[in-house]
Amino acid sequence: AQSVTQLDSQVPVFEEAPVELRCNYSSSVSVYLFWYVQYPNQGLQLLLKYLSGSTLVKGINGFEAEFNKSQTSFHLRKPSVHISDTAEYFCAVSVRYNTDKLIFGTGTRLQVFP
Amino acid sequence: DTGVSQDPRHKITKRGQNVTFRCDPISEHNRLYWYRQTLGQGPEFLTYFQNEAQLEKSRLLSDRFSAERPKGSFSTLEIQRTEQGDSAMYLCASSSKVVRASGGSSYNEQFFGPGTRLTVL
Repeated sequence: AQSVTQLDSQVPVFEEAPVELRCNYSSSVSVYLFWYVQYPNQGLQLLLKYLSGSTLVKGINGFEAEFNKSQTSFHLRKPSVHISDTAEYFCAVSVRYNTDKLIFGTGTRLQVFP
Repeated sequence: DTGVSQDPRHKITKRGQNVTFRCDPISEHNRLYWYRQTLGQGPEFLTYFQNEAQLEKSRLLSDRFSAERPKGSFSTLEIQRTEQGDSAMYLCASSSKVVRASGGSSYNEQFFGPGTRLTVL
């Protein structure tokens, strides 16, 4: 079975500071990795994904993430955050032979302060 | 492309009552998914359809839950004899677009609706 761990339930940060949201996963088979963002009263929006190839992937809104197979991690980073980045962020995986079933972590609440 | 829509957005009901939620996928998306998100947790997969066929059901989907997609377009999720533990956000997603990457990788990108928040008193 697959699982996703997001150790930080909340990450407070000041505007224009860098941020890293951590994600670790567990799986005995190859997986695809995703980061989603959820703004208040809105649905989940895909930020970025890792399918194969380069381990550094870039997404929307200036976010990027790096896949590290040896550490089974897929941490999300942004060099300079904005107030508008305040939201809930979810890391997710799917196995390569069943991409219809997403398995999510518990989420990290990013709070950006002025 | 108007996005995935869900109705109602909020539902408050008393324990023991039946409730039904509706999801309208993005036009021509042939796959439709239901997830449940409880407070402080990430979304959990419940079930999915390809056209009108229900292809996979999670063990989270007890006998009180039933989902249908009769014409391969919109879907309904019904919960019978609601319990307080059913209080959650119910998310719907749809997909059709197959994203292909180098090395032959491909997957169906899921687009999520805003959810229906259920409160069982």
